[in-house]
Order: sequence, then structure tokens, then C-alpha cells
Amino acid sequence: EADIYQTPRYLVIGTGKKITLECSQTMGHDKMYWYQQDPGMELHLIHYSYGVNSTEKGDLSSESTVSRIRTEHFPLTLESARPSHTSQYLCASSEWREGGYTFGSGTRLTVV
Amino acid sequence: KNQVEQSPQSLIILEGKNCTLQCNYTVSPFSNLRWYKQDTGRGPVSLTIMTFSENTKSNGRYTATLDADTKQSSLHITASQLSDSASYICVVGSGSARQLTFGSGTQLTVLP
Repeated sequence: EADIYQTPRYLVIGTGKKITLECSQTMGHDKMYWYQQDPGMELHLIHYSYGVNSTEKGDLSSESTVSRIRTEHFPLTLESARPSHTSQYLCASSEWREGGYTFGSGTRLTVV
Repeated sequence: KNQVEQSPQSLIILEGKNCTLQCNYTVSPFSNLRWYKQDTGRGPVSLTIMTFSENTKSNGRYTATLDADTKQSSLHITASQLSDSASYICVVGSGSARQLTFGSGTQLTVLP
């Protein structure tokens, strides 16, 4: 079944640790996105990619980085986690820019 | 600045009742308007997408309307069910990933 998967679902980690949030989709979508969402708040775009080896920063400044080496895989990395990074991170993909987005279930990150 | 405002912020209704959620936007240029349903702790799921030329679109018990002249949209839920309890997010697109503006959502609670 075509879908988009995020791991882990929940992560509690200490300050200063390096973490990678995984996102994979099986739909063959060229376009993938990372959003950050605090409880009860709107989603903010932090990174996006329109294809392999293409990555761009979104509207919300983020200390994270992304890579797109394969179409189906779009991992997000924090080199040194801080408590201000505590949030929910949502990955999404779409077939074309004007199309509907398919979202993953999210990773809820807590940095202590 | 592009903005999407949703009302009410929260709504409680009894199972079986109908309800209407509102979305006002000041986004230019306008490309499309989307409604998503987001269960607690999960990623948003697409309900409808409407372009400038469409003024209504249905998805089962969900019916979205769009008035591009007044820049308003509504989402009507018919015969509500307990599983409709979620946050409903209005999203307006301007044609690129960087220009997708999210509302902060209406939190709907359906009680038995």
C-alpha cells in the first residue's frame, strides 16, 4: 500500500545529541516536505525538495538539515539538539506542486 | 503578509448534529484552498482541494465551499460522528511550497 512513513514516532533525547528523523514514501512522489508544528499551532515549512539532490529551506528558520539522495527518502538531521527544538515534525509528499499532500504520522521530539 | 484565520477556535457538538467551520484568508496570489483533518498526534489527512473556479466540493459527509470574491471558505460536516473529533485545518496555496499558508485549525469535539 502506498504510504509515507516516519520514524521514530516519539523521541526523548538529551541536549547536544545528534539525531536523524526518518521519512520514506512509497508513492514515487518527487516533492517532499518537512513541517514543524507546536501543539495547537499551525504548521510551518522548514525544508522542501522537488527531487533528488534538490533541497531548499522553508519559511521557518531551522537549525536542521536535510538530504535527498533517493526519491523515496528525505531524512532530517539535527547536529546538536536543544530544548527549543522540542516540537512535532511532520513529513509530507506530493505528486505535483498543486496537488494534495500526503502527510506522515509525525515524530514528536522532546529535548531535555 | 499572507494569513489564514479560522473560526471558531474550538467547537463542541453532539453526535448526529451538523456543523460548519469557517476560514477567511488574505493570500495573494490565490491558487487553491485545502481542508485537512488532523487527529491528535497524527499527520493531517486531506479532505478537499478547490481551485479558483470551484465553489463547492464534497467528500462523503464533508462539503467545502469557496467564495473567492470574499476570500471565505467553509467546511460543513453532516450527521457528525464521534470519529469526526479532530482539528480541521484550512490551507491556502499560492502556487509553490513556500507559499502554502496554514490556519491554526478548529478543534472539533463530538460528544455522544
